[in-house]
Amino acid sequence: AQSVTQPDIHITVSEGASLELRCNYSYGATPYLFWYVQSPGQGLQLLLKYFSGDTLVQGIKGFEAEFKRSQSSFNLRKPSVHWSDAAEYFCAVAPNRDDKIIFGKGTRLHILP
Amino acid sequence: DAGVTQSPTHLIKTRGQHVTLRCSPISGHKSVSWYQQVLGQGPQFIFQYYEKEERGRGNFPDRFSARQFPNYSSELNVNALLLGDSALYLCASSMAVVDTQYFGPGTRLTVL
Repeated sequence: AQSVTQPDIHITVSEGASLELRCNYSYGATPYLFWYVQSPGQGLQLLLKYFSGDTLVQGIKGFEAEFKRSQSSFNLRKPSVHWSDAAEYFCAVAPNRDDKIIFGKGTRLHILP
Repeated sequence: DAGVTQSPTHLIKTRGQHVTLRCSPISGHKSVSWYQQVLGQGPQFIFQYYEKEERGRGNFPDRFSARQFPNYSSELNVNALLLGDSALYLCASSMAVVDTQYFGPGTRLTVL
């Protein structure tokens, strides 16, 4: 069955430390890939997306993600986190251009001062 | 430019009642999608409409229905509400069927 897996439910990092949030998918072809962030009381905001081309994608707020076909992964990274990055992060996948977008269960990021 | 707007913000209903949620997409966007987000989970796809036609349907019972109007706004209807329907209902609009989706703030539905 098609699925998106975010293996970490919660992650805690210190402010200024680097961050990597994991995302794996189970589709055969190269899907359309997204990362969204949801802050408390707010809607989902797109951080970045990958449709094709360069496998390292730059997004907003200093985030980047790398598509690795061999590992079926699309991990989100940030070199130095800020307290304002505390939020829930969702990886999302669309198997092809005409298909629905499927979200992972999310990873909640906590920032230590 | 205004973003995606949803109404109402919050809603409290009792079991068995019916509810209608409304969504206005970003100007120029022709696709509207609806998602249900239960506490602690990711959004689950309910419906997608593009150019007023249903383009996709998630694994939800027939109690859930939707439509898109000529101005591309959309309504989500849920009949015979169950306690398990309590969730944040999110609307997203996009230019195309699979494209960057811009989300509204959601409608928080509580079923008592």
